[in-house]
Amino acid sequence: SQQGEEDPQALSIQEGENATMNCSYKTSINNLQWYRQNSGRGLVHLILIRSNEREKHSGRLRVTLDTSKKSSSLLITASRAADTASYFCATDYSGYSTLTFGKGTMLLVSP
Amino acid sequence: DTAVSQTPKYLVTQMGNDKSIKCEQNLGHDTMYWYKQDSKKFLKIMFSYNNKELIINETVPNRFSPKSPDKAHLNLHINSLELGDSAVYFCASSKTSGRAGSYEQYFGPGTRLTVT
Repeated sequence: SQQGEEDPQALSIQEGENATMNCSYKTSINNLQWYRQNSGRGLVHLILIRSNEREKHSGRLRVTLDTSKKSSSLLITASRAADTASYFCATDYSGYSTLTFGKGTMLLVSP
Repeated sequence: DTAVSQTPKYLVTQMGNDKSIKCEQNLGHDTMYWYKQDSKKFLKIMFSYNNKELIINETVPNRFSPKSPDKAHLNLHINSLELGDSAVYFCASSKTSGRAGSYEQYFGPGTRLTVT
């Protein structure tokens, strides 16, 4: 399977702390994307990082990509209770015309 | 002004029935998708359509038949429903992939299908 793997499967932190989630994948990619899913809702796109990029920021989000290790990380700084959700990485594998989603990390941010 | 909408939101039906889920996007995208999310939240692509043409058909039973009447709509019809079809089904859309790869996808709110 080409599916990516997120780590950890679940993460519980306090408001104000930082949350880091990791994603590993298997073969060469065009890009890697991160999505958030609140309970009972659809997925929302957060950030896209291309294979020739190493780091990208969007507000409190920071994504890194290490193509030599085939891994990416999503950092959420100064977390809030509203950040509680599942976070998925999705890989756009070269030669494959759609995204492959990982199993997700469930993040719980307690007030 | 919902970007990607799906109906119905909930669908409860008995085994053996036939049902349809509708999806519409108003983003002007050329590519639309159907995903299935199981109880463990694993999201798996089922179909991908580009300009009303089937691009990807993953290993899905032929009881599932997508239909795209136009670029803005991608409906999913399921025949002879089985217990294992119970899941949340998501429609999504995006711009068509280019040389640099795929674009971000916009998801609908999902349809929770329960087969009893």
